[in-house]
Amino acid sequence: DIQMTQSPSSLSASVGDRVTITCRASQSISSYLNWYQQKPGKAPKLLIYAASSLQSGVPSRFSGSGSGTDFTLTISSLQPEDFATYYCQQSYSTLGVTFGQGTKLEIK
Amino acid sequence: EVQLVESGGGLVQPGGSLRLSCAASGFTVSSNYMSWVRQAPGKGLEWVSVIYSGGSTYYADSVKGRFTISRDNSKNTLYLQMNSLRAEDTAVYYCARDRYYYGSGSYYPSFDYWGQGTLVTVSS
Repeated sequence: DIQMTQSPSSLSASVGDRVTITCRASQSISSYLNWYQQKPGKAPKLLIYAASSLQSGVPSRFSGSGSGTDFTLTISSLQPEDFATYYCQQSYSTLGVTFGQGTKLEIK
Repeated sequence: EVQLVESGGGLVQPGGSLRLSCAASGFTVSSNYMSWVRQAPGKGLEWVSVIYSGGSTYYADSVKGRFTISRDNSKNTLYLQMNSLRAEDTAVYYCARDRYYYGSGSYYPSFDYWGQGTLVTVSS
């Protein structure tokens, strides 16, 4: 299985901050990388697909970059509704998609 | 509007069985790839199973031989039959639609719609 490692595991930030979350794959996955946001008690929500494409309806303050093994999710100016847990997911291995362990973004 | 609604979760003893349902609206289940993804309490996300539009099915090693994914085209509903349940199967189970985006000469899969989840608790 392809292992996905996110860093940091948790992060404290303030409204208006620029935040970056990193995801590293155990092998090259080209651009087969998605990012999801999950709030407590809710299902995950797709934010970014194919490493850098913004899902319809997602605010433009979210952006993704990277290819190969290293990827980043950036939130340009944190809003109160952005405090949540974020997961990366590789879809290179379609019969064994795997997720990162999650990054919990908390209010400072 | 696309909507996925799971049902069927509950408390079951180890070794028992449960069938989860995922009723879809706003799109046709049989024309899409559909997956089940689970999340143990306080833990991350784990892909469980997928059914392709052509009917092929695949499973994570952790559930292979115990779980069966299927669909009822007339009801536009996805199912997950879970047998020989173990404590480690305790989780919220989500159904999700696999969306394939075409770009730069390749298809890029992602889960674009998710249900609200149904909790399965395996305990004596």
